[in-house]
Amino acid sequence: SQELEQSPQSLIVQEGKNLTINCTSSKTLYGLYWYKQKYGEGLIFLMMLQKGGEEKSHEKITAKLDEKKQQSSLHITASQPSHAGIYLCGAPKADSGYSTLTFGKGTMLLVSP
Amino acid sequence: KAGVTQTPRYLIKTRGQQVTLSCSPISGHRSVSWYQQTPGQGLQFLFEYFSETQRNKGNFPGRFSGRQFSNSRSEMNVSTLELGDSALYLCASSILPGRMNTEAFFGQGTRLTVV
Repeated sequence: SQELEQSPQSLIVQEGKNLTINCTSSKTLYGLYWYKQKYGEGLIFLMMLQKGGEEKSHEKITAKLDEKKQQSSLHITASQPSHAGIYLCGAPKADSGYSTLTFGKGTMLLVSP
Repeated sequence: KAGVTQTPRYLIKTRGQQVTLSCSPISGHRSVSWYQQTPGQGLQFLFEYFSETQRNKGNFPGRFSGRQFSNSRSEMNVSTLELGDSALYLCASSILPGRMNTEAFFGQGTRLTVV
């Protein structure tokens, strides 16, 4: 079965600093979703990447998909306290007709003032 | 446009009881999926429904069941609750199944505690 490994598991950064979170798949990636979650709450959709080499940005968050490396990265520029939370990557599973997602364990981000 | 709505938000049940959780997808979305999130296992897929039909099912015991109605609203049921069923249950909706090219949005979840 497909597994997604996220690194780092947790991260503390000073406000204003940049950071990168990685998501590496054990199998071919057929797209990749990034979500943010506040503890105990629902998942907030950030971005969906469909093709290798695709890069998307929204406000200060940029995500890239590297199909050859079976990896995606999420980069936050000039971090703010509002960026704090758990970041989760999810990949469509081929054996479900790409209808279901397998998720990484998440990266917990803390932003210190 | 309203997001995915899950009710109730919080639930406390006793072992052996059963529970029903509800999910109303975004208007126009016909595909609904359910996930269980626990600290130990993370997010795990439960079921996926489209046009009132279950398309995919995760590796959970038969105590977990679900259904989808003609208006795309979905319910999941857990019978004979066990302590290990305590979790955050999340519902996701998308326009169509096959998430290679469709965005999937999640609700706020239902926090189930079994005592």
